[in-house]
Amino acid sequence: KAGVTQTPRYLIKTRGQQVTLSCSPISGHRSVSWYQQTPGQGLQFLFEYFSETQRNKGNFPGRFSGRQFSNSRSEMNVSTLELGDSALYLCASSLAPLGATRQNEQYFGPGTRLTVT
Amino acid sequence: LAKTTQPISMDSYEGQEVNITCSHNNIATNDYITWYQQFPSQGPRFIIQGYKTKVTNEVASLFIPADRKSSTLSLPRVSLSDTAVYYCLVGNLQGGKLIFGQGTELSVKP
Repeated sequence: KAGVTQTPRYLIKTRGQQVTLSCSPISGHRSVSWYQQTPGQGLQFLFEYFSETQRNKGNFPGRFSGRQFSNSRSEMNVSTLELGDSALYLCASSLAPLGATRQNEQYFGPGTRLTVT
Repeated sequence: LAKTTQPISMDSYEGQEVNITCSHNNIATNDYITWYQQFPSQGPRFIIQGYKTKVTNEVASLFIPADRKSSTLSLPRVSLSDTAVYYCLVGNLQGGKLIFGQGTELSVKP
């Protein structure tokens, strides 16, 4: 079974631009979560989608948004990029929504390394 | 969500057994304990998960005492490729978010 895939793997943008990142979950997984990882803040939860609906959202500004399609693929968009948005963006998928079961295990993709200059 | 506390870093040598302990004093009755491994510029990878006593799989063992206020990840005979950051997570019920702590950076030396 193929793992979680993310595209692109690397991206360089300039301040003020916007960016869209893509995530394809493991086949059959309907929950997709997004995380931002930086050396200073560690792994931080952005949001989770299940069945095309956003279930939970972390403490990020409205510049960060996402969506999920009927095939469970998800996209994350960041508008008006800032230097501080430079990070590794990780996508994770799971069968059930986060918190729905005690043993819910997430599978992470390789991430997209975004650099904002 | 139960807060977790782990050592920031650990050093070991090839062939040794490594034990990383995580404290989670406020673990809830329904919480499971999960460990992830992360290599630089890669996503975390699930290692092992348990609820109580001992769990063993092909890569690690997880020891959980009766009070469940701590857990120990045991990596037998580590190799250089086990150099990574190891995260302990307890539960995932805080608004449905998965909260990672700071992790333990394990360095395996030859």
